[in-house]
Amino acid sequence: ETGVTQSPTHLIKTRGQQVTLRCSSQSGHNTVSWYQQALGQGPQFIFQYYREEENGRGNFPPRFSGLQFPNYSSELNVNALELDDSALYLCASSHGTERSYEQYFGPGTRLTVT
Amino acid sequence: GQNIDQPTEMTATEGAIVQINCTYQTSGFNGLFWYQQHAGEAPTFLSYNVLDGLEEKGRFSSFLSRSKGYSYLLLKELQMKDSASYLCAVRDEWGGSDQAGTALIFGKGTTLSVSS
Repeated sequence: ETGVTQSPTHLIKTRGQQVTLRCSSQSGHNTVSWYQQALGQGPQFIFQYYREEENGRGNFPPRFSGLQFPNYSSELNVNALELDDSALYLCASSHGTERSYEQYFGPGTRLTVT
Repeated sequence: GQNIDQPTEMTATEGAIVQINCTYQTSGFNGLFWYQQHAGEAPTFLSYNVLDGLEEKGRFSSFLSRSKGYSYLLLKELQMKDSASYLCAVRDEWGGSDQAGTALIFGKGTTLSVSS
């Protein structure tokens, strides 16, 4: 069974630029959630994708957008990067149709905005 | 509003028992989770409570009181490798049975340092 993977591991961008982060869900999982974890904080829910559609969104502006592909992998796109976007971005997958309670997290992408 | 409180830091010694408390005030409740997160790594699942009472799993136990909005994680026989951040999270849920959405609302985490 393949776990959740994310790429890249680390990324440095300049304020105003755009970034795309990628996530491959665990085998058999059709739901992907994205979280932002600032230093010293708990993860904050950005949005969730189920069967290629956004299925819920947290308190994040529209410049945070996403996609889910037919193989259930997912992308997180952030436009017009701000310094406060520097954080660990975590992807979590689960099997949505079974209302499974457990979300499996990937190792995260550390984004630094300068 | 959503509010989850847990202590920022705790220290303990090897072999000891430590209890990490979590209180929550959330608009909905569909279960409470505890995750362990080592520095620079992904959170890993420890426990899940949806009914009141104690859930035991090896050296780790978790307790829930829904009426009090309170949970704790109990770690026994502490080892150095237990030094990590422990995250309390409440599960929020929306939508119908064919496309239910879920999200975890996390506290800020408790950094536990275990010394010899």
